Amino acid sequence: NAGVMQNPRHLVRRRGQEARLRCSPMKGHSHVYWYRQLPEEGLKFMVYLQKENIIDESGMPKERFSAEFPKEGPSILRIQQVVRGDSAAYFCASSPSPVDTYEQYFGPGTRLTVT
Amino acid sequence: DAKTTQPTSMDCAEGRAANLPCNHSTISGNEYVYWYRQIHSQGPQYIIHGLKNNETNEMASLIITEDRKSSTLILPHATLRDTAVYYCIVRFAGGTSYGKLTFGQGTILTVHP
Repeated sequence: NAGVMQNPRHLVRRRGQEARLRCSPMKGHSHVYWYRQLPEEGLKFMVYLQKENIIDESGMPKERFSAEFPKEGPSILRIQQVVRGDSAAYFCASSPSPVDTYEQYFGPGTRLTVT
Repeated sequence: DAKTTQPTSMDCAEGRAANLPCNHSTISGNEYVYWYRQIHSQGPQYIIHGLKNNETNEMASLIITEDRKSSTLILPHATLRDTAVYYCIVRFAGGTSYGKLTFGQGTILTVHP
């Protein structure tokens, strides 16, 4: 049973470009969470999605960031017009249910570098 | 979610038990205690969780005090591979916040040969 997959593992973008980060949850999981880890900082929740629905986006920056989890295919975290401050590790996690008795399984992360 | 307090860093000798404390004095009755760890720059890894009773699995044991205001994660026989940042997280059971994990700064555990 494959774990959570994220690609690309490393992404380099110039300021002003767009970054697209993909996350494929574990088989049978329909709940996806995105977290960001800035250099030398802890992990911060960004958004929680179910298939075709955003459930909680309280941690998403108000501008330039968006997320989706379509009926078919991976979840996408999209960052428009990237700036140097967006350089970070972005982790996605999945779970079979949002109920607290289920743990979240994390992917290996995408390291975004903005030059 | 209740706030947690952990020591910034701890050391442990290989083969010995590592006991990582966590204070969560404002925890409420419907909040679970979760432990995750992050090895180097990898994705966080779930370790264990509990509500009231002590829990044990193949990785670790979780001891929760009777008043639930603190807990201890025990790695019974630490190895060099257990060197990581360990996060104690209190998670609300229910409501619209049930999805997210709120990570603090964690404890950097260094296991020495």
